[in-house]
Amino acid sequence: GENVEQHPSTLSVQEGDSAVIKCTYSDSASNYFPWYKQELGKGPQLIIDIRSNVGEKKDQRIAVTLNKTAKHFSLHITETQPEDSAVYFCAAYGGGADGLTFGKGTHLIIQP
Amino acid sequence: DSGVTQTPKHLITATGQRVTLRCSPRSGDLSVYWYQQSLDQGLQFLIQYYNGEERAKGNILERFSAQQFPDLHSELNLSSLELGDSALYFCASSVGGQGNDQPQHFGDGTRLSIL
Repeated sequence: GENVEQHPSTLSVQEGDSAVIKCTYSDSASNYFPWYKQELGKGPQLIIDIRSNVGEKKDQRIAVTLNKTAKHFSLHITETQPEDSAVYFCAAYGGGADGLTFGKGTHLIIQP
Repeated sequence: DSGVTQTPKHLITATGQRVTLRCSPRSGDLSVYWYQQSLDQGLQFLIQYYNGEERAKGNILERFSAQQFPDLHSELNLSSLELGDSALYFCASSVGGQGNDQPQHFGDGTRLSIL
């Protein structure tokens, strides 16, 4: 089955700087890659997603890039703000009767 | 607010017992997914239902079962509970259901504690 590795597990950046979280996947048939933000006591919130026929997608301060050849995708957050502090999860969908496979999460800390 | 409603928010019970978790999907969504989140295993997909029928199955134990009713709400039943079943259980919903490549929107979960 699919395996998703996520790095780093913790990321601390100064407010206003950029943050990058990276994920790799194992199944070359995977075609859908969502990113979720989870705040304490809440469920994961979908913030952006990308499909395998697209290399990059942007939504305001958030962007995701996908490299199908290398089987990795990344989340980029620019001009970070205190409210960006949360745990971020990447996921991959390999098709068929499988569900989403999630990475272990990245705890993003925005330092004032 | 994602529009996905889960009840109860917290559940405390003992080993060997049985519990039922409930989920109401977003208006218009036909698919419901169940996930388990624990510190050691992370977020794990359990099962998906689409318009009342089971569509995909993940790492769901035989002691666990789910169903989706005609009004599209879903229930996850956990029986013969063990200490290791203590976790957060999330429900998510999406519009379509052919596969899991549809944007999924999560509820705020049910925290299950087994004493």
